[in-house]
Amino acid sequence: QVHLRESGGGVVQPGRSLTLSCVASGLSFSNFGMHWVRHVPGKGLEWVAFISYQGSYKYYTDSVKGRFTVSRDNSRNTLYLEMNSLRPEDTALYYCGQGPFVVVHHWGQGTPVAVSS
Amino acid sequence: DIVLTQSPGTLSLSPGDGATLSCRASQRVNSTYLAWYQQKPGQAPRLLIYAASNRTTGTSDRFSGSGSGTDFTLTINRLEPEDFAVYYCQQFGGSPLLTFGGGTRVEMK
Repeated sequence: QVHLRESGGGVVQPGRSLTLSCVASGLSFSNFGMHWVRHVPGKGLEWVAFISYQGSYKYYTDSVKGRFTVSRDNSRNTLYLEMNSLRPEDTALYYCGQGPFVVVHHWGQGTPVAVSS
Repeated sequence: DIVLTQSPGTLSLSPGDGATLSCRASQRVNSTYLAWYQQKPGQAPRLLIYAASNRTTGTSDRFSGSGSGTDFTLTINRLEPEDFAVYYCQQFGGSPLLTFGGGTRVEMK
């Protein structure tokens, strides 16, 4: 059974940085692309980033380009999201999810990020 | 950018009722790239339907997806108590890579 567990969320001031992690089990992690999706309180779901199975291809939503970096360590079955220059509008519950490219098949339980002074 | 508009925003129904949820795209969407998710309070979303009409393993056959072009539908037959949740449609393609609709809440009357 696929299990994804996110960590690293917290409260951070605007302009600061935070790195989220997602540890995967129950799947051949290095064979699958991975997504980050966020859920803004009171609003819907927003796709944030995708990384291909070997990390060769990375895609981002426009609002985080240049600020967020997705990466992965297949030897550790771990996905990362480095978030810099955080803004209040980045406040959300961040989910990692297993691809393929076109859908998010399995989801973690999420880690909350709150950007506030 | 392709915008997905879901309607209605909320459906108030009783167990045993049928539900019809709509997802309308601002541009044509390849049916292969249209999916539906269910999210219950305090839980992560769960993929129900992919490629517009294919149920994932473990999804009840009371759920069915249909549609093409710009209009897609999720139908739930004979609502069970565990079906009351928020449902999102999602498409792949263009920029951003994936976009979600605003969701339809199916609540118990």
